[in-house]
Amino acid sequence: AQSVTQLDSHVSVSEGTPVLLRCNYSSSYSPSLFWYVQHPNKGLQLLLKYTSAATLVKGINGFEAEFKKSETSFHLTKPSAHMSDAAEYFCVVTGGGTASKLTFGTGTRLQVTL
Amino acid sequence: KAGVTQTPRYLIKTRGQQVTLSCSPISGHRSVSWYQQTPGQGLQFLFEYFSETQRNKGNFPGRFSGRQFSNSRSEMNVSTLELGDSALYLCASSLGFRANTGELFFGEGSRLTVL
Repeated sequence: AQSVTQLDSHVSVSEGTPVLLRCNYSSSYSPSLFWYVQHPNKGLQLLLKYTSAATLVKGINGFEAEFKKSETSFHLTKPSAHMSDAAEYFCVVTGGGTASKLTFGTGTRLQVTL
Repeated sequence: KAGVTQTPRYLIKTRGQQVTLSCSPISGHRSVSWYQQTPGQGLQFLFEYFSETQRNKGNFPGRFSGRQFSNSRSEMNVSTLELGDSALYLCASSLGFRANTGELFFGEGSRLTVL
């Protein structure tokens, strides 16, 4: 079984300040983890993925995430928020096995203010 | 390279009707998966197809079905529509057989409203 918990449904930051979106996961297998972003009325776009290589993963648009097995966390960060980062972010987990499916978190809406 | 194309983008149906949604994956992608997105339930996996075969299925009733054609295009069908089926239906394609190990490319979705 696998699950993912996004700890904040809504995060608000000022432009130019750091972004932290939190994600905890649970998986019976060595997980693969992803962060996706969804802008209004758009599909999802992959930001970054962790698949058991380096624990610090760099993605697009300046985002990165660190896989911490001891804390079962995969938090998404960005040093400096931009207005265009305002969107909904989804943490996604999948375990091993041929029947494994993607499990999406409930999403975190990021608001960026001037 | 064209992205994932979903049609129609918006549609309105009444309870009891059926609906068919279409998804054209990125050229060369052979895996197509479908997701339902609602404010209450979030994103939920419906099913995944690869080489015209359903490889994986989520926990949805039998009213939800799908298929994939030899050109990798996919359709999903919902019969006997209920109010709760109102949602954004997202299609995603990927190169590999198992969408869970690769990058998914999403379409913009088909927004279904059931009255």
